[in-house]
Amino acid sequence: DGGITQSPKYLFRKEGQNVTLSCEQNLNHDAMYWYRQDPGQGLRLIYYSQIVNDFQKGDIAEGYSVSREKKESFPLTVTSAQKNPTAFYLCASSIAVRAAEEKLFFGSGTQLSVL
Amino acid sequence: GENVGLHLPTLSVQEGDNSIINCAYSNSASDYFIWYKQESGKGPQFIIDIRSNMDKRQGQRVTVLLNKTVKHLSLQIAATQPGDSAVYFCAENGGYALNFGKGTSLLVTP
Repeated sequence: DGGITQSPKYLFRKEGQNVTLSCEQNLNHDAMYWYRQDPGQGLRLIYYSQIVNDFQKGDIAEGYSVSREKKESFPLTVTSAQKNPTAFYLCASSIAVRAAEEKLFFGSGTQLSVL
Repeated sequence: GENVGLHLPTLSVQEGDNSIINCAYSNSASDYFIWYKQESGKGPQFIIDIRSNMDKRQGQRVTVLLNKTVKHLSLQIAATQPGDSAVYFCAENGGYALNFGKGTSLLVTP
């Protein structure tokens, strides 16, 4: 099955801890994204990557970091600097480099909670 | 920044009726719009998209209407079914990625 796989489904973070959310796609898409979703809210863009070894900050990048060493993988690290990390995190990908004009394919999400 | 917003946060319809979900956008330069469906605890699923050179596009049981004059987008679902219960998001191209609205919760009652 082609698609986007996010893991884990649920993740718990302790105070001062960094945690990493995994996102893998086998769709051969160039562009990948991380969005954050809070209850009753829309999706807010954290980071995006249009090509391997390149990524850009989105609207709410503070307290997060990413890497794009492989086309298939775009992991997101939630650092201790992110003071309100509890949210549903969604990874997505799209075919085109001009990503704003193409539909996104989403993973099933990771729910991050603070202990 | 530019906003994509929805007129109604919740919509309740009877099974078999048609549903209309509305969306207002403020960026007159947007030229691509898309609707997603999100079920609880899952990622959004693509429903239908439309480019600004069109004012209507139809899919299976769904129709998207675009009114550029008033910057309004709507999603029509024909013969709404219980499986249509979900949150629906509209999105517009936001320069470097899609810009999402807050969503409308659709509840289908028997």
